[in-house]
Amino acid sequence: GAGVSQSPSNKVTEKGKDVELRCDPISGHTALYWYRQSLGQGLEFLIYFQGNSAPDKSGLPSDRFSAERTGGSVSTLTIQRTQQEDSAVYLCASSLWQGNTEAFFGQGTRLTVV
Amino acid sequence: AQTVTQSQPEMSVQEAETVTLSCTYDTSESDYYLFWYKQPPSRQMILVIRQEAYKQQNATENRFSVNFQKAAKSFSLKISDSQLGDAAMYFCAYRSAGTSGSRLTFGEGTQLTVNP
Repeated sequence: GAGVSQSPSNKVTEKGKDVELRCDPISGHTALYWYRQSLGQGLEFLIYFQGNSAPDKSGLPSDRFSAERTGGSVSTLTIQRTQQEDSAVYLCASSLWQGNTEAFFGQGTRLTVV
Repeated sequence: AQTVTQSQPEMSVQEAETVTLSCTYDTSESDYYLFWYKQPPSRQMILVIRQEAYKQQNATENRFSVNFQKAAKSFSLKISDSQLGDAAMYFCAYRSAGTSGSRLTFGEGTQLTVNP
């Protein structure tokens, strides 16, 4: 596609429910990143994919968080048993490869856990 | 681990004036990249300017320029002839240049207001 697409744009869920956030990167981009932005804060790295593998998932805050990428394209970030502290904007970015090229960001998913 | 610090949570500037946003970082690496990103209310991060650490010349993109001081680990952004559309949150970011360095490390951000 023309840009990085994320869905849903906004998600409200009840505490304890599972949620799935989707990221569709720019076509041909092999590197994909997930970041979390809490209210008024900077971006916190979660996980990085090169193709379908995740060489760096050190930023995932707990085992309730997981992510996968299939076909070297779409990625899904899953949060199980959501907690109120999971409320944040989840941003996805992609780049041609994992080197020095520009990372293009999507518009994020605003997750609110009530 | 690398850290990025933006000491100005908020800044304001008059339209057509110049403003400088500060950023410092800490790293033991010699080769890396520095970026300034703009985040308007739409939430989408937009790359404003980038600097390769091995380049001594400061990067410039139209009205945006940086003052890169490698020894001081300082990377400030200057916006000239400020426009209303420049109002946004600005983030400074660091990325390692090695094959193991792919993540961006961000500062806390500076909210820029442009007054008409």
